[in-house]
Amino acid sequence: AQSVTQLDSQVPVFEEAPVELRCNYSSSVSVYLFWYVQYPNQGLQLLLKYLSGSTLVESINGFEAEFNKSQTSFHLRKPSVHISDTAEYFCAVSSDNSGGYQKVTFGIGTKLQVIP
Amino acid sequence: DVKVTQSSRYLVKRTGEKVFLECVQDMDHENMFWYRQDPGLGLRLIYFSYDVKMKEKGDIPEGYSVSREKKERFSLILESASTNQTSMYLCASSTQFPYGYTFGSGTRLTVV
Repeated sequence: AQSVTQLDSQVPVFEEAPVELRCNYSSSVSVYLFWYVQYPNQGLQLLLKYLSGSTLVESINGFEAEFNKSQTSFHLRKPSVHISDTAEYFCAVSSDNSGGYQKVTFGIGTKLQVIP
Repeated sequence: DVKVTQSSRYLVKRTGEKVFLECVQDMDHENMFWYRQDPGLGLRLIYFSYDVKMKEKGDIPEGYSVSREKKERFSLILESASTNQTSMYLCASSTQFPYGYTFGSGTRLTVV
């Protein structure tokens, strides 16, 4: 079985400050990791993903996440946040099981509130 | 741009009504999913489908059914709506695993 833990339900941060949203996962097999963002009254959008290769992945709007296998983590970071980054962020994991459907498990989400 | 369209943004229904939530994708994706999203619980998978006329139960299928008669359309059916089904419902689609989901904008359903 796989699971995802997002350690913070809410993260307030001042505009232009750095932020880290934490995500830990558990799985007995190889994993694929995702971060999604949900702006108010909208669906989720894929922000970035780790499938293989370089453990550091980046999004087009300045976020990055690093896959750390030894710590089973996939924390999301941004060096300087903007008001428009205010949203809810979901970490998700999928495992490489042989045969059948590869289920995606979502965390419960972290609300990022950027304060002017 | 790829798109998943959910037919209603907001819906109010009475207890006991049969409710249909429609989802259409224009990306020729094989896989489609229905999730419900509740505060503090995140996203929970209700049903999914990886081919036309195929369906599989997710984690919380009770009280729901689905229909996938065409590749682009995946419908969620609440057979007899109850107040505990008040929630945000999200449809998603994907191509081959594990390349991420495309979500619709969601339907906020209130059952009174």
